[in-house]
Amino acid sequence: DAKTTQPPSMDCAEGRAANLPCNHSTISGNEYVYWYRQIHSQGPQYIIHGLKNNETNEMASLIITEDRKSSTLILPHATLRDTAVYYCILIAGNMLTFGGGTRLMVKP
Amino acid sequence: GAVVSQHPSRVICKSGTSVKIECRSLDFQATTMFWYRQFPKKSLMLMATSNEGSKATYEQGVEKDKFLINHASLTLSTLTVTSAHPEDSSFYICSARNRGEAKLFFGSGTQLSVL
Repeated sequence: DAKTTQPPSMDCAEGRAANLPCNHSTISGNEYVYWYRQIHSQGPQYIIHGLKNNETNEMASLIITEDRKSSTLILPHATLRDTAVYYCILIAGNMLTFGGGTRLMVKP
Repeated sequence: GAVVSQHPSRVICKSGTSVKIECRSLDFQATTMFWYRQFPKKSLMLMATSNEGSKATYEQGVEKDKFLINHASLTLSTLTVTSAHPEDSSFYICSARNRGEAKLFFGSGTQLSVL
């Protein structure tokens, strides 16, 4: 079964880029890489997703390696409000594989 | 963007009673809904997948008679925790997806406390 691993926690200085890695070395060809974030006691919020190509939207950028075995979520200018738990999730049909999440702490 | 409404946000009940949690898709038809359980500082744990009009598919180790899921319409799924016990206390979250899409929209979660 596909598995995703993420570092449990990371710190980032306010205004700097936050780079959150996710390892999914057993990803299958039809699995999309999704990123969500969860602020305490709320439901996860969608950030970005991709299949093969790098993606960018108003919130973040997603870099997927050519072999698709890992990806990195980039928050270009982290703010204090970006402090949250970030989840990397593989999705293919009704198959969901959650990473353990990275608790990002943005510090002033 | 699509909105998923989950109610109640918080519920406290006595041991032995049943609690129903609702998950509604407000502006799209949710052919598939998912229910999760989350312990403090842990990742979401998928409990079951429900497709409109059919029986839910439960993950291994989740008691289907304990956690009753009904997905009777394209906009509503319910999770009923039957004969609740203190060990059922947890944060429960639902998510829904639109027909033909992979993207999940999550509810805001329900904190269940069983006394």
